[in-house]
Amino acid sequence: AQSVSQHNHHVILSEAASLELGCNYSYGGTVNLFWYVQYPGQHLQLLLKYFSGDPLVKGIKGFEAEFIKSKFSFNLRKPSVQWSDTAEYFCAVISSASKIIFGSGTRLSIRP
Amino acid sequence: GAVVSQHPSWVICKSGTSVKIECRSLDFQATTMFWYRQFPKQSLMLMATSNEGSKATYEQGVEKDKFLINHASLTLSTLTVTSAHPEDSSFYICSAREGQRTYSGNTIYFGEGSWLTVV
Repeated sequence: AQSVSQHNHHVILSEAASLELGCNYSYGGTVNLFWYVQYPGQHLQLLLKYFSGDPLVKGIKGFEAEFIKSKFSFNLRKPSVQWSDTAEYFCAVISSASKIIFGSGTRLSIRP
Repeated sequence: GAVVSQHPSWVICKSGTSVKIECRSLDFQATTMFWYRQFPKQSLMLMATSNEGSKATYEQGVEKDKFLINHASLTLSTLTVTSAHPEDSSFYICSAREGQRTYSGNTIYFGEGSWLTVV
């Protein structure tokens, strides 16, 4: 079955630390990949997406993600996190059947 | 872990009829639930925020009378698509937030989504 795995359930970092959140998916066909973020008290927002082309995708707020097809991965990165990055992050994949599959999410806590 | 269940997973209805989609939190109380719609090959679009015991807050451009949302209990929110038309065919997904309305370390869980096809 198709699935998305986010192995880090809770990540705690200090401000200015670098961030990398893992995302692996199990689907061999054409995929569209997304990272969503949910800030405290808010609804889900799109951070970035990959449809095709350059596998290194730039998103909002300094986030980026790299699609590595051979590893079935789409890890999210940020060089220097801020306290305001405290949120829940979700990786998602849309299969060619247009069904969206979400990962379980990673809670990011940033120490001031 | 916590589970959010959506039912039905797939539904086909005739144009002009209404269809109800349920979103249940199975092992936690969800004071807030969110309803999203996904258009083909696009990301999610938030339709409305549903708070238990009060009226839903709809996003701009979402027709309140067409997409009726009810959140009558802490474990159930329903989305009713009234007088459905083929353009309403889409993938609808809910999410539920555990805990208090203000963020205090709680987290959010997603349903598996419901495919609606209007013929």
